[in-house]
Amino acid sequence: EPEVTQTPSHQVTQMGQEVILRCVPISNHLYFYWYRQILGQKVEFLVSFYNNEISEKSEIFDDQFSVERPDGSNFTLKIRSTKLEDSAMYFCASFRGPETYEQYFGPGTRLTVT
Amino acid sequence: GEDVEQSLFLSVREGDSSVINCTYTDSSSTYLYWYKQEPGAGLQLLTYIFSNMDMKQDQRLTVLLNKKDKHLSLRIADTQTGDSAIYFCAENRDDKIIFGKGTRLHILP
Repeated sequence: EPEVTQTPSHQVTQMGQEVILRCVPISNHLYFYWYRQILGQKVEFLVSFYNNEISEKSEIFDDQFSVERPDGSNFTLKIRSTKLEDSAMYFCASFRGPETYEQYFGPGTRLTVT
Repeated sequence: GEDVEQSLFLSVREGDSSVINCTYTDSSSTYLYWYKQEPGAGLQLLTYIFSNMDMKQDQRLTVLLNKKDKHLSLRIADTQTGDSAIYFCAENRDDKIIFGKGTRLHILP
C-alpha cells in the first residue's frame, strides 16, 4: 500500500529559527498539500502545489512560509522565522488528480516552537 | 457560512450505535469524507461518499447524504472501545479538503 511519509515526526525549535519539514508524497501523484492542526483545533489548509508551482494558498500561508519540490520525490515546507503560534501538527497530503477521491495524508510532523 | 459544522462531543454506550452529524457548505463539492483521528495520530480516511449518492454502507459504517440540506451523517453500528477518536467531517472544495472541527466520540462502558 503506497503511503505518504513525513520527517521528522517531532521537531522542537526556538522562536526565530528556520525549520524545514519534509514529505515524500506517493510517487504517481500530481498534487501536493500542506495542512496544519493547532492542538485541539481543526485541520486547516495551508497550500496546494501542482506542476511545480503553488496553485492555491490560504491566508495563513504568509511570507514566512515557502514550499519546494527540490527533486522528483521530496516536498518541503519551510518556515523562515518561527513564531510560538506556529506550534502545530503539520500534515502533508498528496492527490493523484481530480478524477480520484482520496487525498492521502502523511502521519504528520509535530512542530514545537519554544 | 464558510465552515463545515459538526457537534464537538458525543458519548455512546459500548454496543450502541453512534451517529455523528455534519453540515457542509459547498453544494458543488464532489466528495464528502469522514476522517478518524486517534490520540496523537494522523488522519485516517474512514469512508467517503460521492455527491450523487445518498447512502453508502461499509461494514459497520453507514454514511447518509442529504444534498438538499447539505447534511452528512456517519453511523457506526455496535460501537466499540476502539472507535474512541475524533471524527472529522470534510468536503472536497476546489481540490483541497475543508475539515470540520471534529466530533470527539467517547465510549461509555
